[in-house]
Amino acid sequence: GENVEQHPSTLSVQEGDSAVIKCTYSDSASNYFPWYKQELGKGPQLIIDIRSNVGEKKDQRIAVTLNKTAKHFSLHITETQPEDSAVYFCAAPSTNDYKLSFGAGTTVTVRA
Amino acid sequence: DSGVTQTPKHLITATGQRVTLRCSPRSGDLSVYWYQQSLDQGLQFLIQYYNGEERAKGNILERFSAQQFPDLHSELNLSSLELGDSALYFCASSVAPNGGPLHFGNGTRLTVT
Repeated sequence: GENVEQHPSTLSVQEGDSAVIKCTYSDSASNYFPWYKQELGKGPQLIIDIRSNVGEKKDQRIAVTLNKTAKHFSLHITETQPEDSAVYFCAAPSTNDYKLSFGAGTTVTVRA
Repeated sequence: DSGVTQTPKHLITATGQRVTLRCSPRSGDLSVYWYQQSLDQGLQFLIQYYNGEERAKGNILERFSAQQFPDLHSELNLSSLELGDSALYFCASSVAPNGGPLHFGNGTRLTVT
């Protein structure tokens, strides 16, 4: 199955600064890489995803980059705001059964 | 709002008991997934159903079982509960059976005392 590693486990940034979270995966045939944001008391919410036919995707202050050769992908949040404080999870599917395996999560705290 | 509904939100029960967690997927989604989230284990995949049939199985204990009904809602049954089963249980749904975006409910928090 897919093995997804996520770093760092915690990240504290000053409001307005950027935050970067990195993930690596093991299955070279994986072709879909979503990022989820989980706020306290809620389920994970899909915030952005990327497929293997592109190297970067942006949505306002959020971007994801993918390096298939190195088997890693990253989430970039620019101009961070207090409402960006949450736990962020990356994920990748196993190509044999397509189930998503999740990273261990990154707790992001944006300091005002 | 993801459109995925889970009930109940909270459940407190004793060791040895059995509980049933319920999930209604987003309208139009045929696939339902169950995940367990505990503090030290992250999000662990349990099982997936697609249009009523079991599609994939993860690290689901034999004490746990699930099914998806003709109206596409799903139930996760947990029996002979142990203290270590205390966790958040999430249901997610998707349109296709083979990956793609998952939409999560807000979970059921199970506490076993």
